[in-house]
Amino acid sequence: NAGVTQTPKFQVLKTGQSMTLQCAQDMNHEYMSWYRQDPGMGLRLIHYSVGAGITDQGEVPNGYNVSRSTTEDFPLRLLSAAPSQTSVYFCASSPGTPRGYTFGSGTRLTVV
Amino acid sequence: EDQVTQSPEALRLQEGESSSLNCSYTVSGLRGLFWYRQDPGKGPEFLFTLYSAGEEKEKERLKATLTKKESFLHITAPKPEDSATYLCAVQADRWDFGNEKLTFGTGTRLTIIP
Repeated sequence: NAGVTQTPKFQVLKTGQSMTLQCAQDMNHEYMSWYRQDPGMGLRLIHYSVGAGITDQGEVPNGYNVSRSTTEDFPLRLLSAAPSQTSVYFCASSPGTPRGYTFGSGTRLTVV
Repeated sequence: EDQVTQSPEALRLQEGESSSLNCSYTVSGLRGLFWYRQDPGKGPEFLFTLYSAGEEKEKERLKATLTKKESFLHITAPKPEDSATYLCAVQADRWDFGNEKLTFGTGTRLTIIP
C-alpha cells in the first residue's frame, strides 16, 4: 500500500515553462487536494476534487490547472511558470471526514 | 473567512518537560479540527480529528483538546523524537463541496533537547 505518491520530488523550471506535477493514490479515496507550502504562510489550498470529473478552486488557484479523470490520479499543471510559484507542493487524499487527509511527500519546485 | 492561528511559532523544551501548543480558530461552523505532525522534508502526518467542544483525543505522549474557540495539543514528558512542526487545520461545515477543504495554521516548530 503506497498511499499518496508524488513525482517528481525535485524540479527546476525556467520562467515561462510549463510542467505537470503527478499525484496518484491507491486507497480509493474520493477527495484529493493540492496544497503549496511557503515559509511563514502555511499550507494553502490550490485546487481540490470531490470525485472523478469534479474539481474546484481553492485559495490560490491562479496559474494552475487540474483535472480528475480517474479516482486514482490528480495531476497539477503549471501553465507558464513564474518565480512566485517556487514552493513545495503537496498532494493529499481523503475518504472523507473523520479520517483526515493523507499527504504525499511533496515536490520541491524552483522557478528561475 | 476561516482563520487559524497557532502559537507559539517555535518552542524548545528539555526532554521530559511537558507543555502545550495552542491553535485558535475562526470558522462559520466547525465540521472538524485536525492536528498534523510534519517532519523536515516530509508531508504532514495525520494525528487527530476533533469535532465538538469538550472532546479529547490521545496518542502516546500527545493529547488534543477542543473548545469553541481553540484547541490545545498537550505534550507530556516529551522525547527528542517528538521534535517536529505541529500543524492545526479546520474544516468548515458548508452546504457545498467546500466542506472538504482544510484551512491550516502556520504551525509550531517543537524542539526537544536531550
